Amino acid sequence: KQEVTQIPAALSVPEGENLVLNCSFTDSAIYNLQWFRQDPGKGLTSLLLIQSSQREQTSGRLNASLDKSSGRSTLYIAASQPGDSATYLCAVNSWGKLQFGAGTQVVVTP
Amino acid sequence: SAVISQKPSRDICQRGTSLTIQCQVDSQVTMMFWYRQQPGQSLTLIATANQGSEATYESGFVIDKFPISRPNLTFSTLTVSNMSPEDSSIYLCSVEDRGLPNYEQYFGPGTRLTVT
Repeated sequence: KQEVTQIPAALSVPEGENLVLNCSFTDSAIYNLQWFRQDPGKGLTSLLLIQSSQREQTSGRLNASLDKSSGRSTLYIAASQPGDSATYLCAVNSWGKLQFGAGTQVVVTP
Repeated sequence: SAVISQKPSRDICQRGTSLTIQCQVDSQVTMMFWYRQQPGQSLTLIATANQGSEATYESGFVIDKFPISRPNLTFSTLTVSNMSPEDSSIYLCSVEDRGLPNYEQYFGPGTRLTVT
């Protein structure tokens, strides 16, 4: 059974610092991996999707890497802003189903 | 990307009653899913809504408690039956279009359910 772990569970940084969020998974037989953002009481916004054959994906200030063999993905957010405060969820697509990590709660202070 | 709407956005219900949540997508999609997010927890897949046939439920979820309909490729409903306070959660609909190469999933805004 696929298990997804996110570290750290919570992170607080001053504005302008870079954010590094980690995701690990136990079964390397994945189709893709998605990073989502969730604001309190809201739905999920898809940030980046990395196919299993890719090593990284970039969108603006966001960069996600994938090392399938070691079961790890990292989300980098450059030059953080207060508007980046949210919970970030990693989800692994195995056999057509998404398995979610517990999330990293990020607070960026002005 | 697909645009997904859910109704209601939130509700407060009495224990023992049932609530039906609707999910509407702005385009035809192959796959539709229902997730539950209990307070302070991550998302758990309830079932895959199959068009024209019975839903496929994950371990721990049963049709009598969470009946699902999917009459066409743009619409699905999830009913939470005989509710108890433990059913208080955010319920989210998601879609995946396997006509695209990425198999990316998109989520609706969620329905926040409180059972008293």
